[in-house]
Amino acid sequence: GAVVSQHPSRVICKSGTSVKIECRSLDFQATTMFWYRQFPKQSLMLMATSNEGSKATYEQGVEKDKFLINHASLTLSTLTVTSAHPEDSSFYICSVKRGGRNMNTEAFFGQGTRLTVV
Amino acid sequence: EDQVTQSPEALRLQEGESSSLNCSYTVSGLRGLFWYRQDPGKGPEFLFTLYSAGEEKEKERLKATLTKKESFLHITAPKPEDSATYLCAVQERWGEQFYFGTGTSLTVIP
Repeated sequence: GAVVSQHPSRVICKSGTSVKIECRSLDFQATTMFWYRQFPKQSLMLMATSNEGSKATYEQGVEKDKFLINHASLTLSTLTVTSAHPEDSSFYICSVKRGGRNMNTEAFFGQGTRLTVV
Repeated sequence: EDQVTQSPEALRLQEGESSSLNCSYTVSGLRGLFWYRQDPGKGPEFLFTLYSAGEEKEKERLKATLTKKESFLHITAPKPEDSATYLCAVQERWGEQFYFGTGTSLTVIP
């Protein structure tokens, strides 16, 4: 069964509005979750690392104020795309890592969210 | 800088025609190398984790191997349902981030 649940799978919004994407870890508590963005026929690009109870760590070039991340519990992280524009249209994927920092780890991915901004 | 390169970019096989996908990597220290399958419009599905050179893992028609510089995903007698994009990712020893390749798009023709 699914280890990670991501919702919604598809969303269409008007330019200027905000969209929230949820990522839930179903099988275990996750102190760290990752948010990726994927353009057609390209690899996953890490946007930010979401840490439970603290501020997210953003990759270079990712606007913190535009992509708001909240990791309020050990099983839920949310990504909010604020004031969305057509160029934000993309496939967003969350990932949950099993295992502690010094343990062998595996990453499990959500189903992804296709965001279309019109 | 850490880097993951996958080849070929795309591969078309006849059903039953075995082949291999390559993932070359450069990291300062490897914690693990991961293979994922991704179907269109879906998130990546975990296949294998390899931790040390010489390690091999198998699952149905897939077999993953690892050396100090690269990993191979061998597909034996593929079926049309094996058609997907196969992603390789590495995790460095001292970090948490996964570095992904751009994937190999596999099409198996009946």
